[in-house]
Amino acid sequence: DGGITQSPKYLFRKEGQNVTLSCEQNLNHDAMYWYRQDPGQGLRLIYYSQIVNDFQKGDIAEGYSVSREKKESFPLTVTSAQKNPTAFYLCASSIRWTDYGYTFGSGTRLTVV
Amino acid sequence: GQQLNQSPQSMFIQEGEDVSMNCTSSSIFNTWLWYKQEPGEGPVLLIALYKAGELTSNGRLTAQFGITRKDSFLNISASIPSDVGIYFCAGRDQGAQKLVFGQGTRLTINP
Repeated sequence: DGGITQSPKYLFRKEGQNVTLSCEQNLNHDAMYWYRQDPGQGLRLIYYSQIVNDFQKGDIAEGYSVSREKKESFPLTVTSAQKNPTAFYLCASSIRWTDYGYTFGSGTRLTVV
Repeated sequence: GQQLNQSPQSMFIQEGEDVSMNCTSSSIFNTWLWYKQEPGEGPVLLIALYKAGELTSNGRLTAQFGITRKDSFLNISASIPSDVGIYFCAGRDQGAQKLVFGQGTRLTINP
């Protein structure tokens, strides 16, 4: 079955460490997105990629980095520069950048200890 | 970035009751979407609206694209336990390319 796989489901990180969250899709979608979710808030866009080898900053990109070397993969690195990284991270994809039928992964919960 | 005002933030209802929630924007939107998120999972698209005044149903769910194009409503009739979750509105205004999400409405149902 096609879908988006995020791993790991839970991740613990020590302060000062970088950590990479995986996102893989087998839907043949061009566009991919990373969102951050905090309690009581909506989804905030971190980075997005309209097509392979291209990506753009979202609303809260500071302290994060991404790559899009393969169509299927859009990993997110949370760097030590991110001041408050504890959150639920969601990856999504859509057929095209203009298509709003996003398919979401199951999320990764990152906790800084 | 722009955010939508979604209300109520939470609802506690009895099984069988109808539910209403809404979302408002300060700018005109040309697309409204409603998603549901269950605990520990990603949101799933429920209904998409593309025209002012449009009324669309998906089973017991009905959503409307407001005439002013600055709001949208979601109704759930005869709620059941599996309706529990967080409901998000999302939309795009005329000047932006990115989807904007509301803060969510957390629905809890007492059996």
